[in-house]
Amino acid sequence: SQKIEQNSEALNIQEGKTATLTCNYTNYSPAYLQWYRQDPGRGPVFLLLIRENEKEKRKERLKVTFDTTLKQSLFHITASQPADSATYLCAYTGTASKLTFGTGTRLQVTL
Amino acid sequence: DVKVTQSSRYLVKRTGEKVFLECVQDMDHENMFWYRQDPGLGLRLIYFSYDVKMKEKGDIPEGYSVSREKKERFSLILESASTNQTSMYLCASSFLSGHLIAKNIQYFGAGTRLSVL
Repeated sequence: SQKIEQNSEALNIQEGKTATLTCNYTNYSPAYLQWYRQDPGRGPVFLLLIRENEKEKRKERLKVTFDTTLKQSLFHITASQPADSATYLCAYTGTASKLTFGTGTRLQVTL
Repeated sequence: DVKVTQSSRYLVKRTGEKVFLECVQDMDHENMFWYRQDPGLGLRLIYFSYDVKMKEKGDIPEGYSVSREKKERFSLILESASTNQTSMYLCASSFLSGHLIAKNIQYFGAGTRLSVL
């Protein structure tokens, strides 16, 4: 069955640097991959979606790539700020509108 | 803006109690979902519903039931709460699969942190 994997280790980076988070999947390429942000004690919030046939998608300081050869999506935050500190989840669309989520990667941006 | 409202942020219940978690959405979404989230395990789907009175089991339905009597409201029921049901519960909604714009983007409530003692 399809699995989606994110690095469970927290990512610590300095303010102003680019944060890069990884989402790997097994088996077939999903039609869409989505990225969500989750703050402690809150529900996830949708950030970006990328289609299988898109290489890259941008929104302000955020960029998502989708490499079907590597079976991987990368999520980049450029010029990172302490306010970007959160857990970031990737998810793919399975059957019947269901999403399968990765366990998330916690990002900590320090001054 | 889409709003998904969960009735309680924090809830403390006793083992064996019947527990109701309520969720209301205001976007006329067809789909509604209940997840639980535990450290290291991520979001796990308990039940979902794609229409009024319709329900489908998710990955971990045991010990739970759901009710969807109106399109905007989806309730999660713990018939007899147990300590292993202590968790963060998240409700979400989305348009029906195939909606061109929505692409199954899910909108979440703020969550209910349930403690069963």
